[in-house]
Amino acid sequence: EVQLVQSGAEVKKPGESLKISCQVSGYSFTTYWIGWVRQMPGKGLEWMGIIHPGDSDTRYNPSFQGQVTFSVDKSINTAYLQWSSLKASDTAMYYCARQGGSQAFDRWGQGTFVTASS
Amino acid sequence: DIVMTQSPDSLAVSLGERATINCKSSQNVLYSSNSKNYLAWYQQKPGQPPKLLISWASTRESGVPDRFSGSGSGTDFTLTISSLQADDVAVYYCQQYYVPPRTFGQGTKVEIK
Repeated sequence: EVQLVQSGAEVKKPGESLKISCQVSGYSFTTYWIGWVRQMPGKGLEWMGIIHPGDSDTRYNPSFQGQVTFSVDKSINTAYLQWSSLKASDTAMYYCARQGGSQAFDRWGQGTFVTASS
Repeated sequence: DIVMTQSPDSLAVSLGERATINCKSSQNVLYSSNSKNYLAWYQQKPGQPPKLLISWASTRESGVPDRFSGSGSGTDFTLTISSLQADDVAVYYCQQYYVPPRTFGQGTKVEIK
């Protein structure tokens, strides 16, 4: 069974760094792109970008370029989303998702809620 | 960026009746070389991640009830729920995956009348 399991909720102060994770199982990690999607409280879905676990090729939404960094660790089938300096406006739910054969996001993680508040 | 505009923002439909959601893209998302529309529909229930219902504008995912159907081509698309069930209460999003950034519509909330 394909699963994407994300790390737990985080509470940080603005200016702090953070790295959240998405561990996959049930398929070959290096076969499909992994994407990240932001959902601010009560709002819609925003495509942040995608990373290919095979070669770490990355495509960022220009709206998020320079604000976040995607990475992977193939040895543990895990993708990461990180911030070097959180802002209060980063408070949101973050989902990882697999870009499957249809090129849509066919499997999703359960989400990680990030709170950045002083 | 391609802008995806859904209508209506919300709708209330009686159980067993038809629900129709429209999605319009600011640019064509039909790739002429393979005749595929790069358009997906997702369902998000409260407190849950989105779930892929339909890809390529009209291909239902495995396990998705056949009361859900997608249609349209080019810039205009429709998601139809032929006979609304209580379990269908959710927010529905369209997404184009023709070019990055792969933008979503703003969502349509479906409720029971």
